[in-house]
Amino acid sequence: TQLLEQSPQFLSIQEGENLTVYCNSSSVFSSLQWYRQEPGEGPVLLVTVVTGGEVKKLKRLTFQFGDARKDSSLHITAAQPGDTGLYLCAGTPNTGNQFYFGTGTSLTVIP
Amino acid sequence: DVKVTQSSRYLVKRTGEKVFLECVQDMDHENMFWYRQDPGLGLRLIYFSYDVKMKEKGDIPEGYSVSREKKERFSLILESASTNQTSMYLCASSFGRKGAEQFFGPGTRLTVL
Repeated sequence: TQLLEQSPQFLSIQEGENLTVYCNSSSVFSSLQWYRQEPGEGPVLLVTVVTGGEVKKLKRLTFQFGDARKDSSLHITAAQPGDTGLYLCAGTPNTGNQFYFGTGTSLTVIP
Repeated sequence: DVKVTQSSRYLVKRTGEKVFLECVQDMDHENMFWYRQDPGLGLRLIYFSYDVKMKEKGDIPEGYSVSREKKERFSLILESASTNQTSMYLCASSFGRKGAEQFFGPGTRLTVL
């Protein structure tokens, strides 16, 4: 069992549709990060959420940290082909020092 | 710009060979990490280092060792490569505070035949 579980694992949608990706854990995190990884590259940080209930927006991407700081979501409005990639949540639980990545969501946006 | 470089993008080795994967970062980061990435499993931490000559085991250290003789360089060693070590290997670095952003190299696709 992974510390951070993401759903769905795969998502294929048409350009212009909306979608939500979920990141869940039974552990409490002081902060959670979201990364995007494009084919042939390493992951790149999109955002860090720190406060329970926090909402951050990055253009068409909206990130939310759960009130209990055990989960997070990423919502994309009007998806574009350029949004295609692997989305990963990540963080360090309060009880430890190790950094964990989620299982990942592979998104394909079809033109 | 932060730059993390890995010695090879693609590598093919035979079972039983000793394999060295090198990673260099140019931002004077304290922390360095080695992950392997497999479909459906996300990134799994093999080893990490918070300082020169210091190493800590991650979730899947079996079959691997590491070396950090200089701050900017972190090496991953497969003492005797096996087919189940075929994977994408990613190196990352970060500043010293807990939960800091990680900067990744482009990865090394290792195939063990």
